Amino acid sequence: AQKVTQAQTEISVVEKEDVTLDCVYETRDTTYYLFWYKQPPSGELVFLIRRNSFDEQNEISGRYSWNFQKSTSSFNFTITASQVVDSAVYFCALSEAIQGAQKLVFGQGTRLTINP
Amino acid sequence: ETGVTQTPRHLVMGMTNKKSLKCEQHLGHNAMYWYKQSAKKPLELMFVYNFKEQTENNSVPSRFSPECPNSSHLFLHLHTLQPEDSALYLCASSQGQAVYGYTFGSGTRLTVV
Repeated sequence: AQKVTQAQTEISVVEKEDVTLDCVYETRDTTYYLFWYKQPPSGELVFLIRRNSFDEQNEISGRYSWNFQKSTSSFNFTITASQVVDSAVYFCALSEAIQGAQKLVFGQGTRLTINP
Repeated sequence: ETGVTQTPRHLVMGMTNKKSLKCEQHLGHNAMYWYKQSAKKPLELMFVYNFKEQTENNSVPSRFSPECPNSSHLFLHLHTLQPEDSALYLCASSQGQAVYGYTFGSGTRLTVV
């Protein structure tokens, strides 16, 4: 069965520190997609990134970067020079194709607090 | 504006009440989903609709009854709920298996008293 584990339940850092959120997944599929979502206090989940299983290139977008390592089934997310606005719950998710749609299996989330 | 609109944002209901949650998307997506988010639990998939046909029911109790009259609208009808059903209910949509992920609504915070 598909499974996503985010071992860090809560992380608290001081503004401008770098922080890495861990994500480990389990799947038997050879083709799959991994995602990160951000959930601010307002509630909606905001899409951050999608990575397919054949592309192990790391990605950087501004202060955000993602490290995908298939050998260790990990897809970690790093925020550089964190800001208070980065405070949110972050979810890692793994896709599973179903009839004409897709099912996302989510980790339990990591609550990130950036203190001024 | 996220493209997926959920109403109401907050709902308090008694265990004998009947209420409905509404979700609407204007993105032209064919698939719509209901997820439940309880405190300290991962998001749980409840239902999946593809072109208004239900394709997945994740062993959800019958007190939750989904309805999808067309690809743009999704409802979750609630009746005789229990206090443990209190949670954030999130609606999402996607374009088939385009695997660009979901677009989520802001959710309905449900409290059952």
